Amino acid sequence: QKEVEQNSGPLSVPEGAIASLNCTYSDRGSQSFFWYRQYSGKSPELIMFIYSNGDKEDGRFTAQLNKASQYVSLLIRDSQPSDSATYLCAVFPGGSYIPTFGRGTSLIVHP
Amino acid sequence: SQTIHQWPATLVQPVGSPLSLECTVEGTSNPNLYWYRQAAGRGLQLLFYSVGIGQISSEVPQNLSASRPQDRQFILSSKKLLLSDSGFYLCAWGGRLASYEQYFGPGTRLTVT
Repeated sequence: QKEVEQNSGPLSVPEGAIASLNCTYSDRGSQSFFWYRQYSGKSPELIMFIYSNGDKEDGRFTAQLNKASQYVSLLIRDSQPSDSATYLCAVFPGGSYIPTFGRGTSLIVHP
Repeated sequence: SQTIHQWPATLVQPVGSPLSLECTVEGTSNPNLYWYRQAAGRGLQLLFYSVGIGQISSEVPQNLSASRPQDRQFILSSKKLLLSDSGFYLCAWGGRLASYEQYFGPGTRLTVT
């Protein structure tokens, strides 16, 4: 059973702070890792993906992957109230088009 | 650029009635297509996926079915809805080559009464 675990939160951070969202996965053969943002009542929106160990930066977002420890994280710098949403982690096993999604972490950025 | 459409946006149906939700993708060919359901306060549940016309794989046994009559059209159906079918239904498309990312449509919120 492939599992992807996320802390459900809510994670509450003040505006301007760094929000750190974590995700662990059980399938050591996983190859592709994605972060989605889902606002309440809306569909998930892809915001970051990472395939290789290390960091990947895109604007205020940084995805970090550590395959040896089987975790992937998302850092949001200079958090804004508009970042308040649920963040879903998705993991693809090697060679498969079928992802496993975590249940998401709720982020609240308060002014 | 690619666009994914779903309709209707919201639907209220009585128990025992039929269901048909449609999803279409523009701007890409031969995509992988997926149906997910997200129940209130819960995670995404993969219902069906398709790697080509007429090729449907079911992940969860239930009273729903899916069809792919055209390359970029994916339909979710039921003959008789149950109360437990209520939820947010999401269609997604994904690439086939080195890119695995999935992109979601706007979703259909279904309430079974």
